[in-house]
Amino acid sequence: DSGVTQTPKHLITATGQRVTLRCSPRSGDLSVYWYQQSLDQGLQFLIQYYNGEERAKGNILERFSAQQFPDLHSELNLSSLELGDSALYFCASSVRSTADTQYFGPGTRLTVL
Amino acid sequence: GIQVEQSPPDLILQEGANSTLRCNFSDSVNNLQWFHQNPWGQLINLFYIPSGTKQNGRLSATTVATERYSLLYISSSQTTDSGVYFCAVGESGYSTLTFGKGTMLLVSP
Repeated sequence: DSGVTQTPKHLITATGQRVTLRCSPRSGDLSVYWYQQSLDQGLQFLIQYYNGEERAKGNILERFSAQQFPDLHSELNLSSLELGDSALYFCASSVRSTADTQYFGPGTRLTVL
Repeated sequence: GIQVEQSPPDLILQEGANSTLRCNFSDSVNNLQWFHQNPWGQLINLFYIPSGTKQNGRLSATTVATERYSLLYISSSQTTDSGVYFCAVGESGYSTLTFGKGTMLLVSP
């Protein structure tokens, strides 16, 4: 157990819908990262927050957004869902904002029908 | 951006055999991690090793940063070692990880 929690574990929804994925980092970690794992793209970085502020942005679609709250938990919002958004979404956390071990949560498996 | 190449892409071993997985990267890094993704999809941290050598039980890893590669050694493999092994690197000056495509390992009894 990495100490990073993600909910829900599984999510099945329809095209065009909007969903919210939730992540709680390890105790004491200030940095939260979101990654997407799909069959065609592999594992790729989406976005990072550090102590409530956006720190880095990767290949995140405009339909996707995230935020980190004062209690340091984070939410990833996915809207206008398409079939291609079906993937495993991971949250990771670390103490520092750079060059630090990232610990991954169990992931949320999203299926868009 | 930085490129990460892992080899071999697939590996089949008999239980008890040893193996070496390789990760090449195209630029200097400030972070390198090895992960094991089990059949349930969970990503398990194996090593944080931007340079040097570390050992943890039957697993060990070496990163030669100046030559831009890292090796993961698995000794006396067990069926529970099956899964996908990922190398992920953090480019110097950046905080995020770029993942390789992984090595899929199958250990048969």
